Amino acid sequence: DQQVKQNSPSLSVQEGRISILNCDYTNSMFDYFLWYKKYPAEGPTFLISISSIKDKNEDGRFTVFLNKSAKHLSLHIVPSQPGDSAVYFCAATYFGNEKLTFGTGTRLTIIP
Amino acid sequence: DGGITQSPKYLFRKEGQNVTLSCEQNLNHDAMYWYRQDPGQGLRLIYYSQIVNDFQKGDIAEGYSVSREKKESFPLTVTSAQKNPTAFYLCASSSSGVHSDTQYFGPGTRLTVL
Repeated sequence: DQQVKQNSPSLSVQEGRISILNCDYTNSMFDYFLWYKKYPAEGPTFLISISSIKDKNEDGRFTVFLNKSAKHLSLHIVPSQPGDSAVYFCAATYFGNEKLTFGTGTRLTIIP
Repeated sequence: DGGITQSPKYLFRKEGQNVTLSCEQNLNHDAMYWYRQDPGQGLRLIYYSQIVNDFQKGDIAEGYSVSREKKESFPLTVTSAQKNPTAFYLCASSSSGVHSDTQYFGPGTRLTVL
């Protein structure tokens, strides 16, 4: 049972435009969400997180939006840069749970 | 430099052999985790440990074993009982459990069983 879903395996965006990566979840207990970025043959690096008490969190070019009623979150990258080309993983957890549940990832390619 | 180290980067083993993957952190983190990544799949949790001398099974623990004798070290043994051991293995750590703090990942070990 895939509790965290990233339905787009890949996405291509022109440099300078907005990249929007989507993530859906099914477990109503999830109350904390994270985005990680991963380059090939490297470990993921943390990008940004959001708690369920918020619906938006910004950090520079990265903004995460959370729609609890739709059980949906999205990561916006503006403007997109070539170095943003990577696989992005959405992850979720809840208070008292010691584990993260990861989505299957979306490969983002920024076209120069 | 503080961080997580995994060694080796690439590892080859013959089928039927046990192999141990190293993970060391100098971040003074209490919690450590082992994940496996396969093509087209997310990261799946194998084992995790919140404190020294204690660890818990993750979602796919069968065929794996771990130990946590020191705070900074969390080695993973892939045993011959693991049906499909070829994968990319990632170690992570966090200071106070997943919810309140970020997990930091090592560079990973790619294991190939021939």
